[in-house]
Amino acid sequence: EVQLLESGGGLVEPGGSLRLSCAVSGLTFNSDAVTWVRQAPGKGLQWVSILSVSGGARYSADFVKGRFTVSRDNSKTTVYLQMSSLRDEDTAVYYCAKGVWFGQIDYWGQGTLVTVSS
Amino acid sequence: QSVLTQPPSVSGAPGQRVTISCTGGSSNIGAGYNVHWYQQLPGTAPKLLIYDNTNRPSGVPDRFSGSKSGTSASLAITGLQAEDEADYYCQSYDSSLQGVFGGGTKLTVL
Repeated sequence: EVQLLESGGGLVEPGGSLRLSCAVSGLTFNSDAVTWVRQAPGKGLQWVSILSVSGGARYSADFVKGRFTVSRDNSKTTVYLQMSSLRDEDTAVYYCAKGVWFGQIDYWGQGTLVTVSS
Repeated sequence: QSVLTQPPSVSGAPGQRVTISCTGGSSNIGAGYNVHWYQQLPGTAPKLLIYDNTNRPSGVPDRFSGSKSGTSASLAITGLQAEDEADYYCQSYDSSLQGVFGGGTKLTVL
C-alpha cells in the first residue's frame, strides 16, 4: 500500500523558513514523481512543485521560484520542501503526493498545515 | 485567478446527470496536455477520479466519465448520489512546465 506522510508544518513568522518532509512508503521510490500541492484555507488546490524521483529533475510554480526548493533523499525515501522568505499568502495545507511525471497525481498524503503569521 | 476555468458550483437531484466544464487555453489543454480530475470530500485529501482525459482508476464507479476537446475538458456524473457531494478539480500542465488546477467546482446534491 502506498503511503505518504508529511511533517514539519507549523507556525512561522513572515520572512521565516520551514522545511516540510514527505516520507514515502509502499512504492518503488526511484520511479515516478512526487508533487507538492497546497490549499489555502477555504480555497482551491494550487500546484507548487514536482520532483522526478529517479532523475532529480524538478520544476516549480512561478510564485515560489527562488523561495521554495524541492529535493529528495533516496536513502531515506523522503522528499523535502524547503521554504524560505515565507509570506502570509503561503499559509495553507501542503500536500505531498505521488504521481506520474507530468501526469496524474494518484496518491495523496494527509497534508500538513503551514501558518505564516506574526 | 486560476489558469483553468471551472464553474464555481453545480447542483442536481439524486439520479440526475451533471457536467462540470474545465476551460484552458492553447498553452495547456490545447497544447495537448492531458486533463485529470480529482474529488475532494470535506476535510479530506483529494482523490484521483479521472486520468488522461477519459480513464478511471480502479475502484471509481463508471458513473464518472471524462472527455476532452480542443482547449476544454468535461467531467460527467450520472445517477447522482448524495455521497457525490464534494469539490471537484481539473488539473493539467502548461507549456511553462508548471502544473495548473482549475478553481474547483462545488457539487451540491439537492
